[in-house]
Amino acid sequence: RKEVEQDPGPFNVPEGATVAFNCTYSNSASQSFFWYRQDCRKEPKLLMSVYSSGNEDGRFTAQLNRASQYISLLIRDSKLSDSATYLCVVNRNNQFYFGTGTSLTVIP
Amino acid sequence: GAVVSQHPSRVICKSGTSVKIECRSLDFQATTMFWYRQFPKQSLMLMATSNEGSKATYEQGVEKDKFLINHASLTLSTLTVTSAHPEDSSFYICSARVLQGADTQYFGPGTRLTVL
Repeated sequence: RKEVEQDPGPFNVPEGATVAFNCTYSNSASQSFFWYRQDCRKEPKLLMSVYSSGNEDGRFTAQLNRASQYISLLIRDSKLSDSATYLCVVNRNNQFYFGTGTSLTVIP
Repeated sequence: GAVVSQHPSRVICKSGTSVKIECRSLDFQATTMFWYRQFPKQSLMLMATSNEGSKATYEQGVEKDKFLINHASLTLSTLTVTSAHPEDSSFYICSARVLQGADTQYFGPGTRLTVL
């Protein structure tokens, strides 16, 4: 079983829509969690860390459910510039594990 | 966020040559750097973990004699692809681990290697 699993999508949504991505991780000892964004042919960039209490950064809300071992990312009021691949990343024992990414395209 | 640079950004070389890629942390010291490879439409694949002043730890299936890693200082790690072949053509990305609250990592801009 993979350490981190994500639905690869693609998700094609109209501008202004709300879209949610989920990610599951297999090892309950995982310690910290992140969402990264990767644009085509570019490096991943940290979008936000994910905390058990849930955290919000503008239009982005991340949540962690340790009991069910999943992480979510909610994007409200989607913009064209949100089009990218969103990577779920889990840290365990100083090792980072990546999901394969979820592709999002926001359509005008 | 922390800044990580990578050089060169793009390199094209002939089969059999060696290519050196540098990864620098510009505004912080990085005791640990990671080297990844990414093929088109695939996720990042960790190649090795580079710790300053010690030997790198390679992932299973990654040849340490082919992918030489040196992490001689707290701000610089290098990856040398020796005797490159066309199948080594890929996007190589380094990252540096930052400890600030939540342990996280910041990526360099990547190096696109094309071996002819």
